[in-house]
Amino acid sequence: AQSVTQLDSQVPVFEEAPVELRCNYSSSVSVYLFWYVQYPNQGLQLLLKYLSGSTLVKGINGFEAEFNKSQTSFHLRKPSVHISDTAEYFCAVSVIQAGTALIFGKGTTLSVSS
Amino acid sequence: SQTIHQWPATLVQPVGSPLSLECTVEGTSNPNLYWYRQAAGRGLQLLFYSVGIGQISSEVPQNLSASRPQDRQFILSSKKLLLSDSGFYLCAADSGGYLGQYFGPGTRLTVT
Repeated sequence: AQSVTQLDSQVPVFEEAPVELRCNYSSSVSVYLFWYVQYPNQGLQLLLKYLSGSTLVKGINGFEAEFNKSQTSFHLRKPSVHISDTAEYFCAVSVIQAGTALIFGKGTTLSVSS
Repeated sequence: SQTIHQWPATLVQPVGSPLSLECTVEGTSNPNLYWYRQAAGRGLQLLFYSVGIGQISSEVPQNLSASRPQDRQFILSSKKLLLSDSGFYLCAADSGGYLGQYFGPGTRLTVT
């Protein structure tokens, strides 16, 4: 079975500071990895995904994530955050086969203040 | 790209009343469809998924049910709501796990 652990439930940062949201996963088979963002009272929006190839993945809104197979991690980073990045972020994994639901972490609330 | 519609956007229902939430998908055919529930501080819980018309898999036994009467329509129902059914319900779709899932805007359900 697969599982996803987001190591921080809340991350407060100041505007223009760098941020890293941590995600570790557990799986005995190969997986796809995803990061989603959820703004208040909205659905989830796909930020980026890792399927294969380069371990550094760039997504929307200036976010990037690095896949580390040996550490089974997929941490999300942004070099300089904005107030508008305040949201909840979810890491998710999917087993590499069709029709398999995503397994989500419990989410990390990023709060950016001025 | 896929667009997912959900309605209603918000709903307040008394305990014991029935429920019907609808999800429709545009921009793709034969999608895999999912219902998730999000409760405060508990992340997303997968409730049902469907790989085709009439094919429903339940992940969590409870008083909810799902149906897929058409290729791009997914309905979440209950005959009698419980207080614990309150939450934010999200419909999602994908056309293959590697593509990631697309989510609808969600329905906020409050059971009183």
